Amino acid sequence: QVQLKESGPGLVQPSQTLSLTCTVSGFSLTSYDVHWVRQPPGKGLEWMGGIWGDGSTAYNSALKSRLSISRDTSKSQVFLKMNSLQTEDTAIYFCTFLERDYWGQGVMVTVSS
Amino acid sequence: DIQMTQSPSFLSASVGDRVTLSCKASQNINKYLAWYQQKLGEAPKLLIYNANSLQTGIPSRFSGSGSGTDFTLTISSLQPEDVATYFCLQHNSWPLTFGSGTKLEIK
Repeated sequence: QVQLKESGPGLVQPSQTLSLTCTVSGFSLTSYDVHWVRQPPGKGLEWMGGIWGDGSTAYNSALKSRLSISRDTSKSQVFLKMNSLQTEDTAIYFCTFLERDYWGQGVMVTVSS
Repeated sequence: DIQMTQSPSFLSASVGDRVTLSCKASQNINKYLAWYQQKLGEAPKLLIYNANSLQTGIPSRFSGSGSGTDFTLTISSLQPEDVATYFCLQHNSWPLTFGSGTKLEIK
């Protein structure tokens, strides 16, 4: 069955880089796209970006300059890297197989010194 | 980027009421709009895709309508388990953009 699971640090210092991993099962990354969506505490959803089956990517305009999404198809993993983190980047980060409505449980990331 | 405006931001209604939520796009998105339900502490769940197609397993009291810039999600008879925040998402063009959400509560 389809599953996605996010992993990464729960706490990141301001100005540092966030690295998250989404490990998927039940579908091929070379055939379907995976997206990252985040949600600050008590606030709405923000689409961050996605990576397609052919490896192409698209990003939220507001995050494009500091965000990178990549993958390792042999490990069924998708990676998110975002630099220059600030307190407003504190959020739950979800990876999602948006087309079929499968979501990870999300990982809470707090940006604080 | 396409801006998505949802209204109202908060809605309180009684069990059995017909409830209507609105989502407006800043430019034409054809039919490429989805509606999501998010309950507290959970990931979002897809209710409606392509403006009016009901996702498998979603109760028929949920329906969607609209095209172009104006869209509506209707719950025909509100149930206690419908307490949640509802988001619209345009997938007509990149970047994808969500609305700010409507929080729905039972009166």
